[in-house]
Amino acid sequence: SYELTQPPSVSVSPGQTASITCSGDKLGDKYVSWYQQKPGQSPVVAIYEDRKRPSGIPQRFSGSNSGNTATLTISETQAMDEADYYCQAWDSSASYVFGTGTKVTVL
Amino acid sequence: EVQLVESGGGLVQPGGSLRLSCAGSGFTFSSAWMSWVRQAPGKGLEWVGRLKSKPEGVTTEYAAPAKGRFTISRDASKNTLYLQMNSLKTEDTALYYCTTEDGSGNPFGYWGQGTLVTVSS
Repeated sequence: SYELTQPPSVSVSPGQTASITCSGDKLGDKYVSWYQQKPGQSPVVAIYEDRKRPSGIPQRFSGSNSGNTATLTISETQAMDEADYYCQAWDSSASYVFGTGTKVTVL
Repeated sequence: EVQLVESGGGLVQPGGSLRLSCAGSGFTFSSAWMSWVRQAPGKGLEWVGRLKSKPEGVTTEYAAPAKGRFTISRDASKNTLYLQMNSLKTEDTALYYCTTEDGSGNPFGYWGQGTLVTVSS
């Protein structure tokens, strides 16, 4: 089965840049989406098709994907960005796969 | 405005069955591709399965843990998606979300609030 691995946690100071990685075999050949989930809320799409932002998502959110790693970058991180983040891709053998999730803490 | 409202969750014993419903509005339900995603308490997201609407009919796909036990169906006249869950196991305990694609084609563009299923004796 296909797996996507993320670091369990990332800490960042307000105003600094947070980078969240997502690793999977030949992930760069697939489209990756990122979801933000705040406590007690349903997930929200933050990035889709590697680097596209839905309307309403701040410009400080960006994405990239190459090789075996996709990255979600949050520039000038704010307290409101504190949440769990999940990557997601589609694999022909396992269909939709979510990453293990990363808790972003803004210190 | 797209809305998805799940219902039908509750407490069920291991080996039992439960049917979840998802009422959709604000989009063309009859042609929508829809999925169920679950989240065990304190854990990550897990795709359960999806229903694809095509001109030639509806098809379904399932993740490995759901194959043979879960069935996704819909009633287009009621704009409602269903998840029939049989032979439930304790590891099926989770918040079950209904999702549908958004205008950009993202399969999980819209989410409901979820309905909680607890499998316990």
